[in-house]
Amino acid sequence: KNEVEQSPQNLTAQEGEFITINCSYSVGISALHWLQQHPGGGIVSLFMLSSGKKKHGRLIATINIQEKHSSLHITASHPRDSAVYICAGRDSGGSNYKLTFGKGTLLTVNP
Amino acid sequence: NAGVTQTPKFRILKIGQSMTLQCTQDMNHNYMYWYRQDPGMGLKLIYYSVGAGITDKGEVPNGYNVSRSTTEDFPLRLELAAPSQTSVYFCASSYGAKGSGANVLTFGAGSRLTVL
Repeated sequence: KNEVEQSPQNLTAQEGEFITINCSYSVGISALHWLQQHPGGGIVSLFMLSSGKKKHGRLIATINIQEKHSSLHITASHPRDSAVYICAGRDSGGSNYKLTFGKGTLLTVNP
Repeated sequence: NAGVTQTPKFRILKIGQSMTLQCTQDMNHNYMYWYRQDPGMGLKLIYYSVGAGITDKGEVPNGYNVSRSTTEDFPLRLELAAPSQTSVYFCASSYGAKGSGANVLTFGAGSRLTVL
C-alpha cells in the first residue's frame, strides 16, 4: 500500500517569510500532485510533477525521485496563501488513475 | 468555463434515506473520481471512471454506487444513508492518455453531507 507523509502538520509564518512544506512518499508512486484547499473547502491543483522542478508565480515545487521526497516552497508569503496544502502521489503501473493523499499542512500567514 | 459542477452543496439526510450527488464536467475529461474527506484524514477514493460506461471501486466503496452513461456526468448514489457517511464529498476529473495515468485534477466545490 502506497503512503504519503507530509510535514509539518501545522505551520505559522509572518508575511514575507519563505515557506517550505515537505512530502515523503513510498516506492510505487510515479508522480506527485500538490493541491491547495482554502477555508470554505474548494480544492485547486497547483502542480503535478514527476521530475525536477516547476514554478508558478511565488510557488515552486521540487521532487527528488531517488530520495522519494518533494517540497513546496512559497516565496514572499502573504496572508492570502493561508490554506491547507496537500500532496498526493500517483500510483505507478496499472493503478495510475489512483492518488494517495497526505493529510495536509495547515499554513497560516500572519500580516 | 464551468469546470466541474457538483450539486447539492449541503444536504442533511436521515438514517436510511437515499440520495444522489450530481457531478458534471465540461472539459471532455475521460477520468472522473469521487472522493470523501473526513476531518484530519486524507481524501479517500470512493469510485472512479476511466471513460463512459466504465466504473470501478476505489478504497471505500461500501454504501455507494455510481454510473457513467456519458463523458460529462458521474453521479454518486448513497443508498440507505448511515452516520458513517457524514463527510465532505468531492468530485474531480482529469485527462489521462491511455497508459499514462491521470494528470492534473480539476475538483468540484464539494458537497457537505450530514446523516442524522
